[in-house]
Amino acid sequence: AQSVTQLGSHVSVSEGALVLLRCNYSSSVPPYLFWYVQYPNQGLQLLLKYTSAATLVKGINGFEAEFKKSETSFHLTKPSAHMSDAAEYFCAVRGGGKLIFGQGTELSVKP
Amino acid sequence: GAGVSQSPRYKVAKRGQDVALRCDPISGHVSLFWYQQALGQGPEFLTYFQNEAQLDKSGLPSDRFFAERPEGSVSTLKIQRTQQEDSAVYLCASSLPLVAGSNPTEDQYFGPGTRLLVL
Repeated sequence: AQSVTQLGSHVSVSEGALVLLRCNYSSSVPPYLFWYVQYPNQGLQLLLKYTSAATLVKGINGFEAEFKKSETSFHLTKPSAHMSDAAEYFCAVRGGGKLIFGQGTELSVKP
Repeated sequence: GAGVSQSPRYKVAKRGQDVALRCDPISGHVSLFWYQQALGQGPEFLTYFQNEAQLDKSGLPSDRFFAERPEGSVSTLKIQRTQQEDSAVYLCASSLPLVAGSNPTEDQYFGPGTRLLVL
């Protein structure tokens, strides 16, 4: 069975600081991994995805993630946080056709 | 182009009432998914359609939950005899079809969700 675990349900950073949101996966087959963002009262928006091509994946809004097989990780980073980045972030792995999500990490950005 | 739309956006139901939630996928998307997102949790898979065929309903929590997509476009998720534990946001997503033998990387596009509160 495939699963993802997000470490830290809440992360708080200052504006301009590095953002690091952690995700570890478990999969018996090469995984397809995703990061989604959810703003209040909205649906999920795809930030980026890993599909077994380049291990460093760049997404929208300046986010990127690196697939590390040896660490079974797919952490999300952004060099400089902006107030508009405050939202809930979900890591997901594709299992068959469906997505299997982590519990989510709420990112707060302090001015 | 319009995205995935869902209606109603908010629904308050009394316990025991039946509810119907609607999803309009992106035009041309033959795959449609329903997820349930409880407060403070990640979305959890409920069911999946390819055109009108329901290929996976393994996530439906009980036989009170029923989904259909009779013409391969609009889908309805019905919950009978609602219970308080059914309170959640119900998300619909659509995508292009998964082609056998190819990388299953078709993006899923999510609607805004229907927030159901059962009193």
